[in-house]
Amino acid sequence: AQKVTQAQTEISVVEKEDVTLDCVYETRDTTYYLFWYKQPPSGELVFLIRRNSFDEQNEISGRYSWNFQKSTSSFNFTITASQVVDSAVYFCALRSGQNFVFGPGTRLSVLP
Amino acid sequence: NAGVTQTPKFQVLKTGQSMTLQCAQDMNHEYMSWYRQDPGMGLRLIHYSVGAGITDQGEVPNGYNVSRSTTEDFPLRLLSAAPSQTSVYFCASSYTQSSYNSPLHFGNGTRLTVT
Repeated sequence: AQKVTQAQTEISVVEKEDVTLDCVYETRDTTYYLFWYKQPPSGELVFLIRRNSFDEQNEISGRYSWNFQKSTSSFNFTITASQVVDSAVYFCALRSGQNFVFGPGTRLSVLP
Repeated sequence: NAGVTQTPKFQVLKTGQSMTLQCAQDMNHEYMSWYRQDPGMGLRLIHYSVGAGITDQGEVPNGYNVSRSTTEDFPLRLLSAAPSQTSVYFCASSYTQSSYNSPLHFGNGTRLTVT
């Protein structure tokens, strides 16, 4: 069975702090794909990043970075120098076939 | 490209009423799906389709029907609405088969309230 766990239900930080959102996944497949999505207060779901199981390189995009570790089945997301606009619910998702499995989400609140 | 277009944005139903949520995509995606989002439960898959004429059940299919007569359209039907179906519904699509690395593209959601 496939499963995605995001143990942090809610996180609050003050602007300019760094914050890491955890994602742990379970799958028996050797080929799979991991995704992060952002859901701002306006409600739409925005795709942020994709990573395949064969590529363990970390990725940085501006203030965002992702750390993929197969040994611990984790795909964590770090926001550096957080801003109020980062306030959102963030979902981690796994795909190893047709369907996607989503974690329950982490609500991030960045306070000014 | 409009992407994934989902209508209506808001809907209020009385218990027992029926309705159809519309979803259309213009990206020629084979895969289309419907999710419901409830507080603390993330996104749960209702039904999905991997091509015209092919549909299958997801995690929470009871009370919902779907059909896929064209590649572009994937409507979701509530046959007899119940208060437990109060939720936010998202339609999403992606490439599949040779491109499992393709992300899901989401519509903007429908907020449904059943009284």
